[in-house]
Amino acid sequence: GNSVTQMEGPVTLSEEAFLTINCTYTATGYPSLFWYVQYPGEGLQLLLKATKADDKGSNKGFEATYRKETTSFHLEKGSVQVSDSAVYFCALSDPNFGNEKLTFGTGTRLTIIP
Amino acid sequence: SQTIHQWPATLVQPVGSPLSLECTVEGTSNPNLYWYRQAAGRGLQLLFYSVGIGQISSEVPQNLSASRPQDRQFILSSKKLLLSDSGFYLCAWAWGGANTGELFFGEGSRLTVL
Repeated sequence: GNSVTQMEGPVTLSEEAFLTINCTYTATGYPSLFWYVQYPGEGLQLLLKATKADDKGSNKGFEATYRKETTSFHLEKGSVQVSDSAVYFCALSDPNFGNEKLTFGTGTRLTIIP
Repeated sequence: SQTIHQWPATLVQPVGSPLSLECTVEGTSNPNLYWYRQAAGRGLQLLFYSVGIGQISSEVPQNLSASRPQDRQFILSSKKLLLSDSGFYLCAWAWGGANTGELFFGEGSRLTVL
């Protein structure tokens, strides 16, 4: 079946540091890939997505590139801010059910220190 | 605009007691609806999804059931809770048939079974 493996947390960085959160996946067919973020006290919300190989999703300074050859979708940001502190979830869709059945990773808690 | 409400936010229940978590969506019609669970150290696990009134698909055999009595109402239930039912339950909706992969989540319900 489909699965998502993402970097174990928690991750603690200083403000303006470079961020990478690793995500790899196993899937049949050609899934779409997503990063969701959960800020403290809030529900999950979509951060970015990519629907096919070599696509790059980007939002709020975050980027992730769909790498089919390495089955990866790593999240990166060049300079993090305190407001980026949150839990980040990598996810993939099931192509047999459109894009609306998602498999999530375990989440990575990110804390940014001023 | 669309909103999703989920309640109660926290719940402490004894083993063997019943459960009812409710989720309602406003501002849209015929949404796809989902129940996810996040247990400690695990990713978000899809429990149930629904594409219409009375249409429920179960992803994991378990002690829980779901119902959709109205278009924008989704209920998660149990007749007798187990310790293993403890976790964080998230309701989500998506535009029906849109196949975008974007889910809109509620703020979650934390269930502790003692």
